[in-house]
Amino acid sequence: GDSVTQMEGPVTLSEEAFLTINCTYTATGYPSLFWYVQYPGEGLQLLLKATKADDKGSNKGFEATYRKETTSFHLEKGSVQVSDSAVYFCALRPSSGGYNKLIFGAGTRLAVHP
Amino acid sequence: DTGVSQDPRHKITKRGQNVTFRCDPISEHNRLYWYRQTLGQGPEFLTYFQNEAQLEKSRLLSDRFSAERPKGSFSTLEIQRTEQGDSAMYLCASSLATGGQETQYFGPGTRLLVL
Repeated sequence: GDSVTQMEGPVTLSEEAFLTINCTYTATGYPSLFWYVQYPGEGLQLLLKATKADDKGSNKGFEATYRKETTSFHLEKGSVQVSDSAVYFCALRPSSGGYNKLIFGAGTRLAVHP
Repeated sequence: DTGVSQDPRHKITKRGQNVTFRCDPISEHNRLYWYRQTLGQGPEFLTYFQNEAQLEKSRLLSDRFSAERPKGSFSTLEIQRTEQGDSAMYLCASSLATGGQETQYFGPGTRLLVL
């Protein structure tokens, strides 16, 4: 079945460092891909999305490009801030067979220190 | 736009008791989803509604779980005879069906602890 694999955390960075969180997926067809962020004590917030191959999603300095050839959707940010500390979830929405649900990775915790 | 709201935010109960959670979606959204998130894991799909019709249920949704969306607006999730393994965060999300480009928006969740 469809699945999402994320790099294990925690990822610990100093402020202004470059961030990459790896995400790869297994799915048939062309799923939509998402990054959600969960701040402590809060629900999931949509960070960015991409719905077709080679699309780049971007928001708040974060970017991710939908790579069909490598089945990847890695999250990047050029300069992280302390306020970016949170858990980041990569997710896909299948293109067929149960296409109305999201399938999430296990999440990657990011800790940014001043 | 008031966002998705859930009530209660926290619930502690004893094993064997019944609990009910409520979700109020974004007002114009016709789809509503329930997910369960255990510690250190991503959310797992439980069920979803389009308007008042429950269209899909996960195998995770045992017979002790029931969800309703009686008027196509708010939804309730009931767990009967709770077990310690039911302890988790229960998340609700809503979306507006737009022919394949929809985005799900999540509420803050209800954290359940079964003692």
